[in-house]
Amino acid sequence: KAGVTQTPRYLIKTRGQQVTLSCSPISGHRSVSWYQQTPGQGLQFLFEYFSETQRNKGNFPGRFSGRQFSNSRSEMNVSTLELGDSALYLCASSLGQGATYGNTIYFGEGSWLTVV
Amino acid sequence: KNQVEQSPQSLIILEGKNCTLQCNYTVSPFSNLRWYKQDTGRGPVSLTIMTFSENTKSNGRYTATLDADTKQSSLHITASQLSDSASYICVVSGRTDSWGKLQFGAGTQVVVTP
Repeated sequence: KAGVTQTPRYLIKTRGQQVTLSCSPISGHRSVSWYQQTPGQGLQFLFEYFSETQRNKGNFPGRFSGRQFSNSRSEMNVSTLELGDSALYLCASSLGQGATYGNTIYFGEGSWLTVV
Repeated sequence: KNQVEQSPQSLIILEGKNCTLQCNYTVSPFSNLRWYKQDTGRGPVSLTIMTFSENTKSNGRYTATLDADTKQSSLHITASQLSDSASYICVVSGRTDSWGKLQFGAGTQVVVTP
């Protein structure tokens, strides 16, 4: 079956702009989580959605937001982009709560965001 | 301070040789520990997931061990292949009544040379 699909794969934005990234989870998966990965900070948790509700949030400013639709597809938005937001943004899906034992988390290939 | 520490930061090994990666964590109470492999420019791929009652789990040439008492885990790669060149990330989850969160290590970069 199809894996986690993220779009777009690559994008370049200007400082101050906003960006929306999209994620389609594996069919049947109800949990979608988002992560930021940079060379200096590694993987950092942004937020997790389950049944259209945000269940957990990482330590990121309010410029980072997300939502999940009734079909489990998810979007994340970053407003007022800063140079430091340049990163690989990864989406992941799982059947249930991602952190629970027994729930394998499947990652997408990521969206590479460059802010200039 | 990061609750998941990995060592070494990087290592280079010859094709066909074995290697062991380390992960120490302070997450408490502990729920489960996962190892992921991430090829350059790709998303991480799950290798193993273990809970406190499991000591060893294998996935092909990858074998993970867990000592929940000392809060240590290792990932052993047997007979390394060029395709094993990747970053290996240790991920720990705590036991909680509310919605849990994953804690990520910084990863160990493995380079396998011919």
